[in-house]
Amino acid sequence: QVRLVESGGGVVQPGRSLRLSCAASEFTFSFYTLHWVRQAPGKGLEWVAVISSDGRNRYYADSVKGRFTISRDNSKNTLFLQMNSLRAEDAAVYYCARETVEAIPYFDYWGQGTLVTVSS
Amino acid sequence: SYELTQPPSVSVSPGQTASITCSGDKLGDKYASWYQQKPGQSPVLVIYQDAKRPSGIPERFSGSNSGNTATLTISGTQAMDEADYYCQAWDSSTSVVFGGGTKLTVL
Repeated sequence: QVRLVESGGGVVQPGRSLRLSCAASEFTFSFYTLHWVRQAPGKGLEWVAVISSDGRNRYYADSVKGRFTISRDNSKNTLFLQMNSLRAEDAAVYYCARETVEAIPYFDYWGQGTLVTVSS
Repeated sequence: SYELTQPPSVSVSPGQTASITCSGDKLGDKYASWYQQKPGQSPVLVIYQDAKRPSGIPERFSGSNSGNTATLTISGTQAMDEADYYCQAWDSSTSVVFGGGTKLTVL
């Protein structure tokens, strides 16, 4: 059973940093492109960032570009999201999601999410 | 940037058919996926590549995509189908877009 388990969320002051992790298991981690998707309280899903299976290619939503960095450690089956210069509007549940390896991809597995609260 | 538009809410009576639309410029030229999200839970894939159902998803869930509109149809809607539904497409090979979500109420 594929598992994605996020951690690292919490309460942080505006302007500070936080690092999220997503531990994966029960699949060959290094084969898959992975994403971060967030959901502000009471709002819809917002795509945040993507990283290729080998970590070489990374892309970001305009709303986080220059502040967030996605990375991965294939030796530890773990995905990361370094979030700097946090703003109130970054407050959300952050999900990691696995992209299928098919030619026409979609998200087949999601983690349970980790809550980030940005407040002074 | 590319946008997907969904109605904020749809209501349906138990046993009837619910249709949730997702509109975007030439969306039919792309592939749409649909995700179901119940309160306090993570999204779950219910339709991918416009019309395919993952294993474990009931046959009452179906999808279509043509022109500017993708549609998620739930036939014989059950109370357990009450949830938020999100459509999703790829703006480019690297950028993901979600619709704003539709709250399905089974009255």
